[in-house]
Amino acid sequence: AQTVTQSQPEMSVQEAETVTLSCTYDTSESDYYLFWYKQPPSRQMILVIRQEAYKQQNATENRFSVNFQKAAKSFSLKISDSQLGDAAMYFCAYRSAFGGKLIFGQGTELSVKP
Amino acid sequence: DAGITQSPRHKVTETGTPVTLRCHQTENHRYMYWYRQDPGHGLRLIHYSYGVKDTDKGEVSDGYSVSRSKTEDFLLTLESATSSQTSVYFCAINDREGNQPQHFGDGTRLSIL
Repeated sequence: AQTVTQSQPEMSVQEAETVTLSCTYDTSESDYYLFWYKQPPSRQMILVIRQEAYKQQNATENRFSVNFQKAAKSFSLKISDSQLGDAAMYFCAYRSAFGGKLIFGQGTELSVKP
Repeated sequence: DAGITQSPRHKVTETGTPVTLRCHQTENHRYMYWYRQDPGHGLRLIHYSYGVKDTDKGEVSDGYSVSRSKTEDFLLTLESATSSQTSVYFCAINDREGNQPQHFGDGTRLSIL
């Protein structure tokens, strides 16, 4: 069975600085998808970024980028130029290429200091 | 934003009572999911549906049942609520599998006393 681990329950970053959130996963599959979701205090689940395992190039969405290391089964999220609105819980998630459920990590709560 | 409505948004009830949560979508998406969110566990899948009257269990399905009689509605029922089912419940939908993300409703906070 696949598992996703986020080893940092809490992180803090100064406004305008860069922070990296860690995520590791375990799978025997070679084809899959990885996602980062943001959950602000409003409780909404917002997709931040996605990565296809067959793509070597790391995904980027504006200030958000990932470092995808397939051999190491690592999928970290880098937030550049952090803003107060980035404060939220961040979840890493895995989905098999064969479809079905998302498997989530435990979450990392990010605080942004002005 | 994907058209997903969860109802109710909040509910408090007593142990032993049945509870039904509703997820309604206006996107005509095939796949619908129910997750629960608990501190330290992230979101865990309870049940999912891949079409009308087609449902399957997730990893934490004990004590829950679901029904999907129409494409747009996916109901989650707690047959006899217990305090361990106090949680935040999320409904999610998506149209195709693969890299298509799931879109989430705003969640239902359920407290069982």
